[in-house]
Amino acid sequence: DAGVIQSPRHEVTEMGQEVTLRCKPISGHDYLFWYRQTMMRGLELLIYFNNNVPIDDSGMPEDRFSAKMPNASFSTLKIQPSEPRDSAVYFCASRGGLAGESPWENITGELFFGEGSRLTVL
Amino acid sequence: AQSVAQPEDQVNVAEGNPLTVKCTYSVSGNPYLFWYVQYPNRGLQFLLKYITGDNLVKGSYGFEAEFNKSQTSFHLKKPSALVSDSALYFCAVRGVRNTGFQKLVFGTGTRLLVSP
Repeated sequence: DAGVIQSPRHEVTEMGQEVTLRCKPISGHDYLFWYRQTMMRGLELLIYFNNNVPIDDSGMPEDRFSAKMPNASFSTLKIQPSEPRDSAVYFCASRGGLAGESPWENITGELFFGEGSRLTVL
Repeated sequence: AQSVAQPEDQVNVAEGNPLTVKCTYSVSGNPYLFWYVQYPNRGLQFLLKYITGDNLVKGSYGFEAEFNKSQTSFHLKKPSALVSDSALYFCAVRGVRNTGFQKLVFGTGTRLLVSP
């Protein structure tokens, strides 16, 4: 398997522009996570999906951020309009589920991370 | 709330020497603890986890971690460091039920530098 694939790897844009980050999880994984990494805040969980359904988006910083997962093999994180403080590395991660488990139950499996999308908003 | 603390921003060690990267945790309930490693310009990679059972957990690349309940610690160790171990190391703890067991709460990271 190619692992979690993210695009673009680097994005430089100007304040006010729309940014779309893309993620292809590992085939067969039921969970998909979007994280943001900055020097100031470290790693923050933004949102996660189970079977394409958003389960918890409490980490999304504000309404300018939105995420979708239209099918099991694709997710997007959109920022509109972008601001300089959105500059960060955005990671997508996926994980396999266990048969019969609830998305609220205890999960112990490891996360597989993509290589990240480095966003710079000028 | 669940949290982990990594008290050292950076750890320096000579190649061949043992290394320790420290992590302490604060949880309600049973701790589920993880270590991840991040190489430059890469995503995080899973190293090992403690769920239950033996306090000494063995993981990838020769790393191990010792769970100590009385000291609420989960230090990462390796008997003999390699230059290629130089990276950023993150300790993480599972979230609680009402905020989602799926959430991993990460520490701030410790940069490990192994000199030749």
